[in-house]
Amino acid sequence: GEDVEQSLFLSVREGDSSVINCTYTDSSSTYLYWYKQEPGAGLQLLTYIFSNMDMKQDQRLTVLLNKKDKHLSLRIADTQTGDSAIYFCAENPGGSYIPTFGRGTSLIVHP
Amino acid sequence: NAGVTQTPKFQVLKTGQSMTLQCAQDMNHEYMSWYRQDPGMGLRLIHYSVGAGITDQGEVPNGYNVSRSTTEDFPLRLLSAAPSQTSVYFCASRPAGGGDTQYFGPGTRLTVL
Repeated sequence: GEDVEQSLFLSVREGDSSVINCTYTDSSSTYLYWYKQEPGAGLQLLTYIFSNMDMKQDQRLTVLLNKKDKHLSLRIADTQTGDSAIYFCAENPGGSYIPTFGRGTSLIVHP
Repeated sequence: NAGVTQTPKFQVLKTGQSMTLQCAQDMNHEYMSWYRQDPGMGLRLIHYSVGAGITDQGEVPNGYNVSRSTTEDFPLRLLSAAPSQTSVYFCASRPAGGGDTQYFGPGTRLTVL
C-alpha cells in the first residue's frame, strides 16, 4: 500500500459533504477505484474511473481525477450515518489486474 | 451466484499449528488473490493466481502457500502459524479483461496465540 497514499481519518457532520483524497504513483494505471468497507465486512466496489476521464458522477458520489498530480478524490454529497465506513483508493499499476490499495480512510459521520 | 465465499469466518490457532483458509467463487473468474488486512496497513497482497495451475507471490508471501487446481478454489495454507499472522484475510476474484472490479469475500479473522 505504500504507492497509494490516503489520510487515515475523516470526521464530518451528517448532511455535509465528505471529500476523501488519494495520491498514487503509477501514471500507467488505467483504472482507479474507490472501495467501501463496512464494519466486519469485505470490500465492495463503490465506483471507478478510467484514466482518460477527469470526473465521474454517480448519484451522491463524485470522483475527480488529476492525472498530472496523480491525485484522486471521492466526494460524497449529503453524507449520512450509513456512509460511515473505511474507504480504500486503489490503482492498477502498469495495467495490472491486481490492484494496489491504499491504507484506507475511516469516515466517521456524526449527527 | 454465491459470489466469493470464505471459510471459516473465525479461527484461533496456537503458534506452530498449520491450517488452510478456504476460498471459492462461482463466477468462473480467472483471477483470484489473497490479501491480509492489518490496522493502519490497509490491504497487502499475499499471493495471487491468473488461472488454474498458475500462482505467483504478492507483497507478503512468506509463511503462506497457495495452489489453484481448479478455477473455483484458491486455498491459502499457513504452514506454521505465528502471532505475526494474526490478521483478517480476504480472498478476491475478478474476470480477465480490463476494468472489471475485484469481488471480495467476507473475510476470515485469524488469531494466532
